Parts: sequence; structure tokens; C-alpha cells
Amino acid sequence: AQSVTQLDSQVPVFEEAPVELRCNYSSSVSVYLFWYVQYPNQGLQLLLKYLSGSTLVKGINGFEAEFNKSQTSFHLRKPSVHISDTAEYFCAVSDAAGGGNKLTFGTGTQLKVEL
Amino acid sequence: DSGVTQTPKHLITATGQRVTLRCSPRSGDLSVYWYQQSLDQGLQFLIQYYNGEERAKGNILERFSAQQFPDLHSELNLSSLELGDSALYFCASSPRTGLATGYEQYFGPGTRLTVT
Repeated sequence: AQSVTQLDSQVPVFEEAPVELRCNYSSSVSVYLFWYVQYPNQGLQLLLKYLSGSTLVKGINGFEAEFNKSQTSFHLRKPSVHISDTAEYFCAVSDAAGGGNKLTFGTGTQLKVEL
Repeated sequence: DSGVTQTPKHLITATGQRVTLRCSPRSGDLSVYWYQQSLDQGLQFLIQYYNGEERAKGNILERFSAQQFPDLHSELNLSSLELGDSALYFCASSPRTGLATGYEQYFGPGTRLTVT
């Protein structure tokens, strides 16, 4: 079974500072990884995805993530955060066992951007 | 706006009751997924349908059932509701499934269920 670990439940950061949200995964099959963002009282919005190819993937809102197979990590980064980035961020891995395509999510990281 | 719609937005009901949550996937998407989000369990996969057929099942309770109709909309039925069923229920859709995995899922705004 696949699993995702988000090491930090909360990350406080000042506006315009860089941020890294950590994600580690375990998988016995081909890996497809995603980051989603959830703003208060809203659904999940896809930030970026890694399916194959370049290990550095760029997403929306200036976010990027790097797939590291040897360290089984998929950390999310942004060089300069904005107050509007305050939200919960979820890392997820796609599990194709049995022909389905379910996502297994981490427990989430609450990013709080302060002035 | 992801293109996935869910109704109702909010639902308040009593223990023992039965409710139906509805989801319309993005235009052209064949797969529909249901997830439950709660404070203690986090985001949990419940069930997936592909073009009307059940494709994958998660830790879905026997009191819960789902189906996908010919027009591809889906309904999640929750019966004999308990206080612990209070949660956000999300529907998501994706264009393909099966062996060609890895396609991202697009989430609806969710239905917040409160069981009193």
C-alpha cells in the first residue's frame, strides 16, 4: 500500500520569505505525485503534479516541487510567499492497485503567512 | 472553479437518518471519486466509479453506497447516520482510469454534513 507523510503540521512564515513544505512517500509501484491546496471552506485545488520526466515540476501561483526518487520525497517550494498563500496543503500519491486510481493523501500542512 | 459540482453545500440531519449527496463531474470525465474529510481521519478515499461501474473501493462503511448514472453524475447515499459521520464529503473527477493511471483529479467544493 502507498502512503504519504507530511512532516510538518504547521509552517509559519513571514510574507516574501521562501518556504518549503515537506512530503515523503512510500510506494511499491510507479509513482504519480500531486500537491493540492485547500483554502478555508473550499475544495481542493491542484497545484502541481509529477507523472514522469523532469524531476522539477512547476505549478500554479509560483509553486514548484522536486521529485527525488532516492529520498522518496516530493517537497513543495515557493521562493517568496504572499499572504494569500495562507491555506492547507496536501501531498498525495496515486494508487493504481486493482485498476482504480485513488489518491492517498498526507495529513496536510497548514501554511500561515504573516506580515 | 474546477467544473465539478456538488449539491447540497450543507446538510444538517439527525442520527439514524439517510441522506443523498450528488455530484456532477467535469464535462467529458468518466471517473468519479468520493472522499471523506474529517478532523480525526483526514482525507479518506471512499469509492470510485468509471463510466457507471465500480472501479475501486476504500474504507467505505457498509451503511454507505454510491452509484454512477448513465449521464455520469454520481450519488453517495449515507444511511443510519451516526454523529461520527459528520464530515466534508468531496467528489472528484478525472478523464481516465484503469491501467493508464496518474491522471489528476479535480475536486468539487464539497458537501458539509452535520449529524446531530
